[in-house]
Amino acid sequence: EAQVTQNPRYLITVTGKKLTVTCSQNMNHEYMSWYRQDPGLGLRQIYYSMNVEVTDKGDVPEGYKVSRKEKRNFPLILESPSPNQTSLYFCASSANRGSRDTQYFGPGTRLTVL
Amino acid sequence: GQSLEQPSEVTAVEGAIVQINCTYQTSGFYGLSWYQQHDGGAPTFLSYNALDGLEETGRFSSFLSRSDSYGYLLLQELQMKDSASYFCAVRSFLISSGSARQLTFGSGTQLTVLP
Repeated sequence: EAQVTQNPRYLITVTGKKLTVTCSQNMNHEYMSWYRQDPGLGLRQIYYSMNVEVTDKGDVPEGYKVSRKEKRNFPLILESPSPNQTSLYFCASSANRGSRDTQYFGPGTRLTVL
Repeated sequence: GQSLEQPSEVTAVEGAIVQINCTYQTSGFYGLSWYQQHDGGAPTFLSYNALDGLEETGRFSSFLSRSDSYGYLLLQELQMKDSASYFCAVRSFLISSGSARQLTFGSGTQLTVLP
């Protein structure tokens, strides 16, 4: 089954404790991205990756890091989480070709930073 | 930068037709997408317009006018299960990186379908 998986689905942590949210897709997609969703603000892009070892900042990259060492994985790293990073996070992937622009989203990770 | 505007809420009755509008401001416009999200769920792709005109997919249609920086999603024969949030999203071409991968979402429109 074609899918995007994220782990963990729920996480409660404390300020300053480094954490990683994993994202994996099995569709051989070149393009992957991370979003955060906050009430009234919609989905905001944090980082995206065009392919292995190619990443770029989205609209709200501050406080986040990403890496793309393998095509299927795109982890999101919070080196020193703060309460303003409490949010719902989505990973997404799409094929980097053609004009049709279908992004497949993971199930989401609800993060609370105390 | 990019910005999008869409209504925050729309209410309609079962069987009706509803139109959700989206206006955008962006440089390097590449295309306009629509996504549906049910409470607690992941967004799912509905439609994409890169060229002016209407795209039809079953009960859902999407329209784009690039000259007006405007698009809309049309939902016909509304069903209760259509109650959800609907997001428009603009894909922009970044000259600096030579890629069309900057994706900016609107704040979403909460559609409530009444029996």
